[in-house]
Amino acid sequence: EDKVVQSPLSLVVHEGDTVTLNCSYEVTNFRSLLWYKQEKKAPTFLFMLTSSGIEKKSGRLSSILDKKELFSILNITATQTGDSAVYLCAVARQAGTALIFGKGTTLSVSS
Amino acid sequence: DAGITQSPRHKVTETGTPVTLRCHQTENHRYMYWYRQDPGHGLRLIHYSYGVKDTDKGEVSDGYSVSRSKTEDFLLTLESATSSQTSVYFCAIRGDREGDGYTFGSGTRLTVV
Repeated sequence: EDKVVQSPLSLVVHEGDTVTLNCSYEVTNFRSLLWYKQEKKAPTFLFMLTSSGIEKKSGRLSSILDKKELFSILNITATQTGDSAVYLCAVARQAGTALIFGKGTTLSVSS
Repeated sequence: DAGITQSPRHKVTETGTPVTLRCHQTENHRYMYWYRQDPGHGLRLIHYSYGVKDTDKGEVSDGYSVSRSKTEDFLLTLESATSSQTSVYFCAIRGDREGDGYTFGSGTRLTVV
């Protein structure tokens, strides 16, 4: 059975800290891995990763994929209170098109 | 923002009544999806569509049906709503190209009393 597992499930940090969120997967016919941020409404797209070892960056956020070990990490540096959200990891398969989601990591950043 | 809207945004209904949620897109995308989101479960796929009149079941399809008579509309129907279907429902769309991402609607919060 295909599965996507995120860890930790929740995390509390202080403003300015750096955090690493983890996503491991066991999915047949892997195509890509996606990260979303959700703040009490629709998930918003962060990154799509298809190749191993190539880091994607957007401001203080970065992510990388390891297709050999079947995991991805999402890093957030110099966290801000606005980073507080649920971070969702999802995997898309070849042929099949629906995303398979992990349960998410709830990040709380305190000032 | 991407052209995807869901209606209604909120709905309260009684057990046993039929309910239809609508997802409308203006992107002419082929793929459309319905997910539900519940605490402790994340987002789970209910049904999806890969074209007009082409639909398939997801992992939590029991109690739900869908229809897609036009490219732009994907309807989710609860034939006889139950309290276990109280949830937040999200629609998503995806383009046809290999690198296209998935865009989500704003969600419908459904409460079955």
